[in-house]
Amino acid sequence: GAVVSQHPSRVICKSGTSVKIECRSLDFQATTMFWYRQFPKQSLMLMATSNEGSKATYEQGVEKDKFLINHASLTLSTLTVTSAHPEDSSFYICSARDGAGEVQPQHFGDGTRLSIL
Amino acid sequence: AQSVAQPEDQVKVAEGNPLTVKCTYSVSGNPYLFWYVQYPNRGLQFLLKYITGDNLVKGSYGFEAEFNKSQTSFHLKKPSALVSDSALYFCAVRWGGGGNKLTFGTGTQLKVEL
Repeated sequence: GAVVSQHPSRVICKSGTSVKIECRSLDFQATTMFWYRQFPKQSLMLMATSNEGSKATYEQGVEKDKFLINHASLTLSTLTVTSAHPEDSSFYICSARDGAGEVQPQHFGDGTRLSIL
Repeated sequence: AQSVAQPEDQVKVAEGNPLTVKCTYSVSGNPYLFWYVQYPNRGLQFLLKYITGDNLVKGSYGFEAEFNKSQTSFHLKKPSALVSDSALYFCAVRWGGGGNKLTFGTGTQLKVEL
């Protein structure tokens, strides 16, 4: 089945640090990837849709200068949390959609636990 | 706008008993419905989807779901629960006018007890 690899799985760093999270589709090409944020005991909140070769589409209320997304290839999207602060601490999850045509499910990475001290 | 409701924060069942996790939706047009499961500190795993066709959809690990258009529901079921089924379950909807976006429910914590 389709596999999405997300790295790193956990990051602990000081306030003011920028953190980059990678999301790779291992056995399929993903023209579209998604970045979500999940708070404890809550649902997933879509942050942005990442399209290969073009600018990401951000959801309302998500700062695009804070959360930089780059989707440079059909198998890799990155999310950079710039100048992270404690309120950015969260569980970040990426997903990728395999193919077009019939509606395909999104396949999710295992998430990145970000803790800003 | 589309929305998904999972009315139960938690469902508890005994191992071997049938389980149901409820989901209702609201969309304009035809819905595409999904169930995902999340284990602690992990991403979401796809269980099953309804796009069109038979209302009863069978998925991974013995799970199934029934699409009911009149009740706008898509409840997840399993005839015989296992302790290993204990996890957080999310219902999601994608609609034709929303592009590829999924809207998730708030999740239901399933606890299967011996």
